[in-house]
Amino acid sequence: AQKVTQAQTEISVVEKEDVTLDCVYETRDTTYYLFWYKQPPSGELVFLIRRNSFDEQNEISGRYSWNFQKSTSSFNFTITASQVVDSAVYFCALSGGNQFYFGTGTSLTVIP
Amino acid sequence: KAGVTQTPRYLIKTRGQQVTLSCSPISGHRSVSWYQQTPGQGLQFLFEYFSETQRNKGNFPGRFSGRQFSNSRSEMNVSTLELGDSALYLCASSYGPSSTDTQYFGSGTRLTVL
Repeated sequence: AQKVTQAQTEISVVEKEDVTLDCVYETRDTTYYLFWYKQPPSGELVFLIRRNSFDEQNEISGRYSWNFQKSTSSFNFTITASQVVDSAVYFCALSGGNQFYFGTGTSLTVIP
Repeated sequence: KAGVTQTPRYLIKTRGQQVTLSCSPISGHRSVSWYQQTPGQGLQFLFEYFSETQRNKGNFPGRFSGRQFSNSRSEMNVSTLELGDSALYLCASSYGPSSTDTQYFGSGTRLTVL
């Protein structure tokens, strides 16, 4: 069965702190894709990153970085020097088979 | 390039009524998926259409239906509305099937059932 677990329901950090959002997934597929989306209060899900199961290279994009480890079935997301604009709900997702599976989301609040 | 457009943004209906939501995908995208988002259940997959054919369906009752037109625009219909149908309905489009391509989401339609 496919499953995505985001154990952190809510996180609060003070501005400029680093924060890591955890994502653990389950799948029997050998080929799959992992995603992170951000949902600000406006409601729209904003695409952040996609990784395929064959590419375990970590990725950095500005203040964002992602750590993909197949050995632990994890795809964690780190925001460096957090800003108030980073406050949102972040979803990890897995695609495989014929469906798209979302985690339950982590609500991040950055306090000025 | 225009993003995914969902109309209307807000809807208020009463129990027993039916409702139709609309989604215009990004130009060139052939796949449209629908999701229901509620505080209790999170994001749940409703169905996906690819080139006018329903490719996959989530675990929702038959009151929920959809279709896709030749221009890839999609509509979702909910009949005999129940209070529990109150939710944010999100549409996503991708060039290929959602199982292999990145989905891009619209701002959603917030449905309130009274």
